[in-house]
Amino acid sequence: AQSVAQPEDQVNVAEGNPLTVKCTYSVSGNPYLFWYVQYPNRGLQFLLKYITGDNLVKGSYGFEAEFNKSQTSFHLKKPSALVSDSALYFCAVRDGTNAGKSTFGDGTTLTVKP
Amino acid sequence: DAGITQSPRYKITETGRQVTLMCHQTWSHSYMFWYRQDLGHGLRLIYYSAAADITDKGEVPDGYVVSRSKTENFPLTLESATRSQTSVYFCASSEVGRGRDTQYFGPGTRLTVL
Repeated sequence: AQSVAQPEDQVNVAEGNPLTVKCTYSVSGNPYLFWYVQYPNRGLQFLLKYITGDNLVKGSYGFEAEFNKSQTSFHLKKPSALVSDSALYFCAVRDGTNAGKSTFGDGTTLTVKP
Repeated sequence: DAGITQSPRYKITETGRQVTLMCHQTWSHSYMFWYRQDLGHGLRLIYYSAAADITDKGEVPDGYVVSRSKTENFPLTLESATRSQTSVYFCASSEVGRGRDTQYFGPGTRLTVL
């Protein structure tokens, strides 16, 4: 069975500081990894994904994530946080051979303070 | 309108009643998904569909029924609603393969079962 762990329910950072939102995963085959963001009362929006290729993936709004196969991690990062980055962030994983079944983490609430 | 839409956006019903949540996408994506979002559980997959007339169970299918007679529509029916089905329901669609695989989410339906 596949799984995703987001060990921090909440991450607080000051505006302008770097941010990291952690994600570790478990999957039997090749991992397809995703980050999504959810603003209040909205659906999820895609940020970035790793399927194959470079371990460092760049996405929307200045976010990036690094795929680390040995540590089974896919942490989300941004060099300089904005107040507008405050939202709920979800990591998701699926096996490369099963397009239907993605598993989402429980989410991490990011709060960026001015 | 282009994109993925859900209706109704809000629904209050009573225990034992049948409820159908609608989902419509205009991209002709082959895959469609239904998730529920509850506090502390992230998103959990209810059912997914790989194409018209092809559906499969996700993590929490009990008490739900789906159908997909047309590519663009994927209704979710609660045959006899229970209080434990009070949740926010998200529909999503995706193409797969060749580096696509991103899920696009609807705005959600907030369902309350009294």
